[in-house]
Amino acid sequence: AQKVTQAQTEISVVEKEDVTLDCVYETRDTTYYLFWYKQPPSGELVFLIRRNSFDEQNEISGRYSWNFQKSTSSFNFTITASQVVDSAVYFCALPNSGGYNKLIFGAGTRLAVHP
Amino acid sequence: NAGVMQNPRHLVRRRGQEARLRCSPMKGHSHVYWYRQLPEEGLKFMVYLQKENIIDESGMPKERFSAEFPKEGPSILRIQQVVRGDSAAYFCASSRFPVPDTQYFGPGTRLTVL
Repeated sequence: AQKVTQAQTEISVVEKEDVTLDCVYETRDTTYYLFWYKQPPSGELVFLIRRNSFDEQNEISGRYSWNFQKSTSSFNFTITASQVVDSAVYFCALPNSGGYNKLIFGAGTRLAVHP
Repeated sequence: NAGVMQNPRHLVRRRGQEARLRCSPMKGHSHVYWYRQLPEEGLKFMVYLQKENIIDESGMPKERFSAEFPKEGPSILRIQQVVRGDSAAYFCASSRFPVPDTQYFGPGTRLTVL
């Protein structure tokens, strides 16, 4: 069955530090997609990235970067030079197997960036 | 292009009352998903709908919960005879195509049952 594990419940850093949020997944599909979402204190869910398993190249978007490693079933998210506005809960997700009717979410990692 | 809209943003009900949560998908999106987030937990899938059809309701509690997505108008998640355990944030998401197309989420409805 599909499963997403975000082992880090909470991370606390000081502004300008780099921080990596871990995401480990289990899937029986040979091709699949992975997602990251951000939930700031205001509560909405913001889409960050979608990656497919064909492409193992790292993705960079400004201060955000994602490291996809199929060999270790991981899709880790790094924030470089963190800022207070990065404080949020971050969720990793992948679609269910077969019917592809829903996303399976990890439990989330709460990131607190202190000035 | 307006995002996914949900209303109300906050809803307070007493035990035994009904709660109706509305979701208008993004323009051009015909796939709607409802998720529930209990306090300090991740999101759990409830139901997936296309216009006038329920495709997958495997995450819906068997009783008191229902969902619809009529030909005209928003999708509705209805909870009858609410109990304190229904207190949660309910998120709606929409996509242009089925998963694995990206789902875009609304701001959520925070339901509090007194």
